Amino acid sequence: AQSVTQLDSHVSVSEGTPVLLRCNYSSSYSPSLFWYVQHPNKGLQLLLKYTSAATLVKGINGFEAEFKKSETSFHLTKPSAHMSDAAEYFCVVAKMDSSYKLIFGSGTRLLVRP
Amino acid sequence: GAVVSQHPSRVICKSGTSVKIECRSLDFQATTMFWYRQFPKQSLMLMATSNEGSKATYEQGVEKDKFLINHASLTLSTLTVTSAHPEDSSFYICSAAPASENQETQYFGPGTRLLVL
Repeated sequence: AQSVTQLDSHVSVSEGTPVLLRCNYSSSYSPSLFWYVQHPNKGLQLLLKYTSAATLVKGINGFEAEFKKSETSFHLTKPSAHMSDAAEYFCVVAKMDSSYKLIFGSGTRLLVRP
Repeated sequence: GAVVSQHPSRVICKSGTSVKIECRSLDFQATTMFWYRQFPKQSLMLMATSNEGSKATYEQGVEKDKFLINHASLTLSTLTVTSAHPEDSSFYICSAAPASENQETQYFGPGTRLLVL
């Protein structure tokens, strides 16, 4: 079965310091993995996606994630946090059975301190 | 970029009434639209998948007679919460998959916050 686990419900960093949001996945086949960001009153925005090409995926706004099969992880990182990065982040895995579905993790709220 | 709108953005209704939420793809055609539900401080849960011109496919545990979905055109899907009760209060989010791309590409609406009194 496809699932994702986000290990931290909240992460707090200072502006200018690195960001690490952790995600582990479970999949019976080679997964398609995504990170989405949700800002208040805005639709979810795709940050990046992994679909079995390069294991290091670069996304928008300086974010990147590395697919590590041996660790079943897909952690999201950014070298330097901005205040505008404060939002809810979701790790997502695609599931294909009778139809295509996105399975969302529980979310991590990123707080950025000035 | 692809834009998905939802209307209304928030709605308050009395228990027992029905509420319709619209999801529109503004600059692309969407053969498939998805409806999600998000409770406070929780993740998104897929409710149903709707394909243009056919019946929606509901996830296990979602009452199809309570959450009516219509996808009559390639740019519009509607979710009607019938005989709403306070436990139906939630944040409802739709997404749309462009006909020109695979379903991995979904664009999300801003959501509709429903409060049932």
